[in-house]
Amino acid sequence: QSALTQPPSASGSPGQSVTISCTGTSSDVGGYNYVSWYQQHPGKAPKLMIYEVSKRPSGVPDRFSGSKSGNTASLTVSGLQAEDEADYYCSSYAGSNNLGYVFGTGTKVTVL
Amino acid sequence: EVQLVESGGGLIQPGGSLRLSCAASGFTVSSNYMSWVRQAPGKGLEWVSVIYSGGSTYYADSVKGRFTISRDNSKNTLYLQMNSLRAEDTAVYYCARLRLRHAFDIWGQGTMVTVSS
Repeated sequence: QSALTQPPSASGSPGQSVTISCTGTSSDVGGYNYVSWYQQHPGKAPKLMIYEVSKRPSGVPDRFSGSKSGNTASLTVSGLQAEDEADYYCSSYAGSNNLGYVFGTGTKVTVL
Repeated sequence: EVQLVESGGGLIQPGGSLRLSCAASGFTVSSNYMSWVRQAPGKGLEWVSVIYSGGSTYYADSVKGRFTISRDNSKNTLYLQMNSLRAEDTAVYYCARLRLRHAFDIWGQGTMVTVSS
C-alpha cells in the first residue's frame, strides 16, 4: 500500500493553468477508473473535486478537469483563481483483495 | 443536511485505547460504504479503514490487528476502536462517506488524536 506519487508543489499566475500528476501502479491507478481528487485548505477537511477520473460533482467549477493515461492520472486547474491555492490529493481504489484505497502524497498549489 | 460529526479524540498514552465516533445525519450509515482517513500533523492523507454496506471491513497494513471499524445502525453512527496506540498514530482522524464509485464525497470536520507520554 504505497502512496501515489505527486509533485510536492505547483504554481501559476491568476488566469493560467496548472496540471498535477498522480502516478501509481497497475494495481491502483492503472487498474481502475476510480481515481478521485480532493482540495484541502489549511485547517479544513478535504473536499471532493473530481471522481471516476474526470467527473465533477455538482457545484465544482468546470475549471477543474481530470484525465488518466496508464498508471498516471492528472488534475488540471484552468483559469487559476486566488481561492484555488490549497493542497490537492489524488486517491485511487486499490481493489477488494484487502488493499482498499490509497492517497497521493499531496501537491501544494500556489497562485502567484 | 448531509453531515458527519466526529468525536472522541484526545491525548492518550502509548499502548492505550481510544474509540472514535462519527455521527451521521441526512443519510443512513448502514446503506453506504464508510471510511476513516487520517492526517498526521503537517503530512498527507492516509486511508485507515472501510466498512462496506454488506458489513465487510478492510484496514491499512499500518493499523491492521490494532484498529476495528464498526457501526451502530440504531444510532446511525460509525466507530473506530483504536488499541495499542503508538506515537505514529497521532493525527487528525476524519470519517468520510464513499460514493460515486469509490470517491470520498462527504467528510467530517475531523477529531485530533495525540499519542504521547
